[in-house]
Amino acid sequence: AIQLTQSPSSLSASVGDRVTVTCRTSQGIGSALAWYQQKPGKAPNLLMYDASTLQSGVPLRFRGSGSGTEFTLTISSLQPEDFATYYCQQFKHYPVTFGGGTKVEIK
Amino acid sequence: EVQLVEVGGGLGQPGGSLRLSCVASGFTFSNYVMTWVRQAPGKGLEWVSSISGSGDSAFYADSVKGRFTISRDNSKSTLYLQMNGLRAEDTATYYCAKAIFEATADFDYWGQGTLVTVSS
Repeated sequence: AIQLTQSPSSLSASVGDRVTVTCRTSQGIGSALAWYQQKPGKAPNLLMYDASTLQSGVPLRFRGSGSGTEFTLTISSLQPEDFATYYCQQFKHYPVTFGGGTKVEIK
Repeated sequence: EVQLVEVGGGLGQPGGSLRLSCVASGFTFSNYVMTWVRQAPGKGLEWVSSISGSGDSAFYADSVKGRFTISRDNSKSTLYLQMNGLRAEDTATYYCAKAIFEATADFDYWGQGTLVTVSS
């Protein structure tokens, strides 16, 4: 199975900060990567698919990049509603796998 | 509007069975891969199983292979997960999710989740 390693596992940031989350895969997956945001008690919400395509309705401050084995989710200016846990997911091959998550907390 | 509504969670006995259902609406159900994803309390997301639009192909995580069976009834726009041989480690919130595109396994819509607790 393809392993996904997210870093950091958690971070503290302030409103207005630029935040970057990295996802590394154990083998190349092209651009078959998605990013999700999850808030406590809620289902995950799709932010990005095909590594860099913004899902409809997601604010432009979210940006995805990368291909192969290294991917990045960047929030250009953190907003109060962005404090949540973020997951990457690969769908190049079954079994589908998720990263361990990155919890973004208020500083 | 796309909606996914899971039902069937609750308390299951170790070694016992539960059946989850996910009723879909707002899209052509038979065109899309459908998936179950679970999340143990306080833990991350874990893919459980996916099934093709026709129902001809199914895929399972090693942790549930041989115990869980995914199926679908396209005439009822309903996805199922038959869970047999339940273990304590199956305790989780189970989400059904719709693929973004017809043959992919990334998910643009998720249900609200249903909690399965395995305990004696």
